[in-house]
Amino acid sequence: AQSVTQLDSHVSVSEGTPVLLRCNYSSSYSPSLFWYVQHPNKGLQLLLKYTSAATLVKGINGFEAEFKKSETSFHLTKPSAHMSDAAEYFCVVSDGTALIFGKGTTLSVSS
Amino acid sequence: EAGVAQSPRYKIIEKRQSVAFWCNPISGHATLYWYQQILGQGPKLLIQFQNNGVVDDSQLPKDRFSAERLKGVDSTLKIQPAKLEDSAVYLCASSQLLPHRGNTIYFGEGSWLTVV
Repeated sequence: AQSVTQLDSHVSVSEGTPVLLRCNYSSSYSPSLFWYVQHPNKGLQLLLKYTSAATLVKGINGFEAEFKKSETSFHLTKPSAHMSDAAEYFCVVSDGTALIFGKGTTLSVSS
Repeated sequence: EAGVAQSPRYKIIEKRQSVAFWCNPISGHATLYWYQQILGQGPKLLIQFQNNGVVDDSQLPKDRFSAERLKGVDSTLKIQPAKLEDSAVYLCASSQLLPHRGNTIYFGEGSWLTVV
């Protein structure tokens, strides 16, 4: 069965510093992996997706993630945080028919 | 392009009452999903339709929840009778194809349910 584990429930950074949100996955075959962001009272928005092409995936708003099969990881990074990045982030794996979500990581950004 | 539309956005009901949520997916999307997101948790799949047929409803509490997708377009999710633990955001999503190989799933803004 497919699953994801988000290693941090809450991450706090200062504006202008790097962001790292960690995610490990479990999958019995080559997975499709996604990162979604959810701002307060808003719907889920796709940040980026990995589909067995390039292992370094670039997404919207300067985010990127690297697929590492040997470590079963798909960590999300951004070189410089912005206040508008404060939100809930979900690491997601596809089981082929639907999406399976992690529990989420809350990103706080201070000025 | 219009997104996934949901209504109502907010609903407060008493326990044991009933409630219905409506979803209109993106035009042309064959696959429709209902997810339940309890505060502080990730969304959990309740039911998935492919056109007007059910693909997966294994996590739908069928004693109180029901969903239909008539004519393979709009969908309705009903809860009757509601319990306190049903307080959550109900997210509708749609995609052209199944998400394998990265087909994108698009989410609506959700219907917020509070059961008191």
